Amino acid sequence: GESVGLHLPTLSVQEGDNSIINCAYSNSASDYFIWYKQESGKGPQFIIDIRSNMDKRQGQRVTVLLNKTVKHLSLQIAATQPGDSAVYFCAELQGFQKLVFGTGTRLLVSP
Amino acid sequence: DTEVTQTPKHLVMGMTNKKSLKCEQHMGHRAMYWYKQKAKKPPELMFVYSYEKLSINESVPSRFSPECPNSSLLNLHLHALQPEDSALYLCASSQDGGSNQPQHFGDGTRLSIL
Repeated sequence: GESVGLHLPTLSVQEGDNSIINCAYSNSASDYFIWYKQESGKGPQFIIDIRSNMDKRQGQRVTVLLNKTVKHLSLQIAATQPGDSAVYFCAELQGFQKLVFGTGTRLLVSP
Repeated sequence: DTEVTQTPKHLVMGMTNKKSLKCEQHMGHRAMYWYKQKAKKPPELMFVYSYEKLSINESVPSRFSPECPNSSLLNLHLHALQPEDSALYLCASSQDGGSNQPQHFGDGTRLSIL
């Protein structure tokens, strides 16, 4: 399943599917990006980050892709599990210390 | 479990009360942050401390007063808050506030203003 972030805030997938969460960022000068997962009643949890000199970075079951030409980030989750259900935020570092979050996408995983 | 600890987890206060939110980290980080998060919205930056000095204030009303007593502790003093200040207040820390460093968040204090 795939979302377009700002235009589709909820992504529903079946367990075992691959999920793709998209994010458009605003500042072409931003050079560091982070994906966070926020479960209900919890704070944002760091998933993976990427610097602007890269276009892809892989972690455990997750991959982040960066397209600087169109200012677009995506988070791919392989073999999505019910425990992946949460709200996912992309964030860009603007300036030296200011982290700006996207609007978020809710991922719902059904068994 | 998060390595950034926030207390209390929940706080209900009246508009005339004075209270404080506390945040502690023992990762040796030298930058600490306060964010405000309204329901179904992303976190929004309020303050940044770097090496115990305030480096960013995002035009936050003076009824919110941050304090960084040492590199492990961050407080947010609250006075004369308004109902619209009800939100989840998140604390975060990073290595030294430089670029290309992830911020690590606590689970927040859920604040309700009566």
